[in-house]
Amino acid sequence: SQTIHQWPATLVQPVGSPLSLECTVEGTSNPNLYWYRQAAGRGLQLLFYSVGIGQISSEVPQNLSASRPQDRQFILSSKKLLLSDSGFYLCAWSPYLGNGYTFGSGTRLTVV
Amino acid sequence: QQQVKQSPQSLIVQKGGISIINCAYENTAFDYFPWYQQFPGKGPALLIAIRPDVSEKKEGRFTISFNKSAKQFSLHIMDSQPGDSATYFCAASESTGFQKLVFGTGTRLLVSP
Repeated sequence: SQTIHQWPATLVQPVGSPLSLECTVEGTSNPNLYWYRQAAGRGLQLLFYSVGIGQISSEVPQNLSASRPQDRQFILSSKKLLLSDSGFYLCAWSPYLGNGYTFGSGTRLTVV
Repeated sequence: QQQVKQSPQSLIVQKGGISIINCAYENTAFDYFPWYQQFPGKGPALLIAIRPDVSEKKEGRFTISFNKSAKQFSLHIMDSQPGDSATYFCAASESTGFQKLVFGTGTRLLVSP
């Protein structure tokens, strides 16, 4: 069966510090991968998606970047965090051909 | 045209009552309509999904009703329970090419005991 792992679960980082969130998927090949951000009590904002290794599409201009160094690994990064980067970050995957997303358990990021 | 409009933003229902959340879309190419349930501090989880070849799909207390001509679909939660209190998101996507889900803005449901 397919599983998605996302870590860490919570993170408190000072303004100006770097960020690296990792997401891995097991039990499938060539998944589509996604990074979402959710502000408190708000909807899901798509940040990045990837259809293959090294292929990254950005949905909104921002202080963040994403990379896909391996087929089932998706990384969200920042060189210098801003207060506005605080939020709940969710990784998700979907089949290369097929519908439906499976979300990870999320990372609560607080920038102080 | 890519939006999915969801209402209401929040909903309070008595235990045992029926919760109804509505969504509307514009893109007639959409042919996959899932609903996700999200508890606080957790990622959204797929609850139930429907394709436009049927007008209704039921799984336990959860039912999706789909109206293709009106481009609307709704989630009905029968005999609502306090454990159903969560945020619900509708979504839609095409089944050809890259199937990027378009999410509604979410409905926060509170089922009072």
